[in-house]
This record gives sequence, C-alpha cells and structure tokens, in this order.
Amino acid sequence: QQQVKQSPQSLIVQKGGISIINCAYENTAFDYFPWYQQFPGKGPALLIAIRPDVSEKKEGRFTISFNKSAKQFSLHIMDSQPGDSATYFCAASIGGANNLFFGTGTRLTVIP
Amino acid sequence: KAGVTQTPRYLIKTRGQQVTLSCSPISGHRSVSWYQQTPGQGLQFLFEYFSETQRNKGNFPGRFSGRQFSNSRSEMNVSTLELGDSALYLCASSFPGVRETQYFGPGTRLLVL
Repeated sequence: QQQVKQSPQSLIVQKGGISIINCAYENTAFDYFPWYQQFPGKGPALLIAIRPDVSEKKEGRFTISFNKSAKQFSLHIMDSQPGDSATYFCAASIGGANNLFFGTGTRLTVIP
Repeated sequence: KAGVTQTPRYLIKTRGQQVTLSCSPISGHRSVSWYQQTPGQGLQFLFEYFSETQRNKGNFPGRFSGRQFSNSRSEMNVSTLELGDSALYLCASSFPGVRETQYFGPGTRLLVL
C-alpha cells in the first residue's frame, strides 16, 4: 500500500514555465513533508521541506503548498530551467523519524 | 565536508549468494539509514542505525540485515540473494536533531543474475 501518492508520473514543461507536482497522503500522523530531487546516477538530494503547521514555504524558485484538511501537498517550480530536469520525489515521515515514506516520483523534463 | 560515500558502486551477484554493502556517513553524522530503490516499488526504507543500534526497521524479510560501527560507518548484508533484490541501494546519513535532514549517497547498484 502506497502511503504517499504522487502525480503526475512524468511532466514536460517549457523553459520559463511553472512545474507542478502533487502528492496526497492518508496517515494523519505524518508531520514532516520533504521533497527530494534526483539526477541520474546520483542519490536523492533534499530540496525543501514543510511541516503541517504552515500552508506554504518558499525557497528560491521552489514552493511547497500544503493543504492539511485535504491531506495534500504540492511542489511548484517557478521559471523552470533545463537544469531542473530530474526526478522529483515527495516524502513524509512521523515525529522527525528517518523512516521516510516516498512517493513514486515524477520525471520532469524542461524543454529549452 | 565530504558527502556520504558508498562502496562498491556496482555489483553483480548470482542467486543464492550473499552481499555486503558499505556506507560511510558525513563526518559528525551518527544516524545512517538504508533504502532500496527499484523501478517497480520506488524508494523503500530498509532500516536505520544510530549509535550502533537499529532504531527503526522497514518491512523487509530477515535476509536483509545491517550493522553500524563505533565510527558510524554502516554495512548492510543481503543473504540468499533473489532476482528481485536487484536494485539501487541508497544510504543516507543525518545529524541528530528535531527534524533530521537526510543526505543521500550515490548508491550501490546491485544486479542479481
């Protein structure tokens, strides 16, 4: 059973456009929601993370929007660049534990 | 600081064999977690070690085991390999804190024939 559901599976965006990736969860005990970026041949790297007590967090071109009542959160990449082309994973954990439950990933391609 | 290092990077084994993978965390990090990444199942948590003790365990069979040494380096072992164990095995380390940020290594690509 997938504890964190992620969509879309793949996404193609023009350079300068906005990339949006969505995730949903069922377990209301989750209280930490990070997003990871993974390039081919590399391990995932933490992009940005949010706690459920805030509805939005922005770091540079990356923004997490969090809807606690809907149990959904999303990653927005503004002004998408070809260098953003990678696989993005949402994740969730409980109580700051290192047991992360990952979404299935979204392969983002940004076309020049 | 040097990042998380994993050795070997690539490995080919046959069914029934066992394998040991190694992970050296970032200096000062005391927690090491292991994940399995496959195209079908995605990223799945195997286990976490902190101060040489297993702190958390995922839903994997007992063929998967690990340990951590006093210098925080960690090893994971898979016995009686099956074809389905072919995967990228990722190690992540973190410094103790309220919200622990995990830093992943490049992984070990295991192919079971």
